Amino acid sequence: EAGVAQSPRYKIIEKRQSVAFWCNPISGHATLYWYQQILGQGPKLLIQFQNNGVVDDSQLPKDRFSAERLKGVDSTLKIQPAKLEDSAVYLCASSSTLGTDYGYTFGSGTRLTVV
Amino acid sequence: KQEVTQIPAALSVPEGENLVLNCSFTDSAIYNLQWFRQDPGKGLTSLLLIQSSQREQTSGRLNASLDKSSGRSTLYIAASQPGDSATYLCAALSGGSYIPTFGRGTSLIVHP
Repeated sequence: EAGVAQSPRYKIIEKRQSVAFWCNPISGHATLYWYQQILGQGPKLLIQFQNNGVVDDSQLPKDRFSAERLKGVDSTLKIQPAKLEDSAVYLCASSSTLGTDYGYTFGSGTRLTVV
Repeated sequence: KQEVTQIPAALSVPEGENLVLNCSFTDSAIYNLQWFRQDPGKGLTSLLLIQSSQREQTSGRLNASLDKSSGRSTLYIAASQPGDSATYLCAALSGGSYIPTFGRGTSLIVHP
């Protein structure tokens, strides 16, 4: 089966600009996650979707970050305006259930550099 | 709130050594624990998934154990190779939240 697809792979923007990341999960996976991974740290959850509904977005900086999952399949994460501290790898993961049975599959990530 | 700690943070070993990576978690009410490998600038590749009812899982030269009562998991790598060089992360899926909590990872270098 195809894996989790993410694009772009790399993005460099100036602070205060906007940026969007795209994720296509494994076909049939109902649960989708966006994680932020700052260099040298473990991934931190930003938002969790179950189908097209938000389950948890408690750690999403809602003043600048937004995410949506259209029709319960693809998802887009947006940052507007970007800050220097947003420089990180943004990882998308999906699971067929809530992760209890088969765990999670991650995409290759998008490396964002804000200058 | 679940907290996951990985020790050591970094490890450098000569090729051929057997090694153990440690992962500890504060909340023992977990559904499962998953080990991942991350190469520089890349995403996470799943290595092993241990359900809460299991004690260990094996895949090739990798063996992961789980002791819920003590809040610990270990990843054992036999006969290490330079290709094993990467960062290894563990993630605990806690009951109720269904959100995996990650450790900071162990950065492994295996030199020839």
